[in-house]
Amino acid sequence: GAGVSQSPSNKVTEKGKDVELRCDPISGHTALYWYRQSLGQGLEFLIYFQGNSAPDKSGLPSDRFSAERTGGSVSTLTIQRTQQEDSAVYLCASSLDSHYGYTFGSGTRLTVV
Amino acid sequence: AQSVTQLGSHVSVSEGALVLLRCNYSSSVPPYLFWYVQYPNQGLQLLLKYTTGATLVKGINGFEAEFKKSETSFHLTKPSAHMSDAAEYFCAVSDRDTGGFKTIFGAGTRLFVKA
Repeated sequence: GAGVSQSPSNKVTEKGKDVELRCDPISGHTALYWYRQSLGQGLEFLIYFQGNSAPDKSGLPSDRFSAERTGGSVSTLTIQRTQQEDSAVYLCASSLDSHYGYTFGSGTRLTVV
Repeated sequence: AQSVTQLGSHVSVSEGALVLLRCNYSSSVPPYLFWYVQYPNQGLQLLLKYTTGATLVKGINGFEAEFKKSETSFHLTKPSAHMSDAAEYFCAVSDRDTGGFKTIFGAGTRLFVKA
């Protein structure tokens, strides 16, 4: 596609429920990233996928968070048993090469009530 | 480990005044350096980047930044602020040694422009 697409744009969920956030990167971009942006905070790295290599999961805050990338394209970030502190904007980005920087999606605003 | 420090979470300038947003990084080797801008209710977009070559890089909307290795800095400037520049700006670094794919972002600086 023309840009990085994320869905849903907004998600309100009850504490304890599972949620899935989707990211559709730019076609041909080999690298895909997930970041979290909390109110008034910077971007917190969560995970990245690069080609067929094992993903770098070093930023995932707990084992309730997981992500997969199918067929080297679409990625899903799953948060199990959501907590109120999970409320944030979840940003996905993709890149062709590190030299080019990232192209970000518009994010998914997650609110856990 | 890499880190990025942006001095000042908020900067306020008058329209037409110089914009200076400060960024310092910590890295064992010169990294790739980026500035991103986030307008209200929008995603981040790349403003400019330094990877190699000329240390003064120009980006969109009249912004530029200079990589100073001796100071481990990559400050963002614009000679004359415009109201439309009001946004949040993020400095970011990625590790050249690992191919630059993992990027660490600073906490951001929110720029206010007064009429």
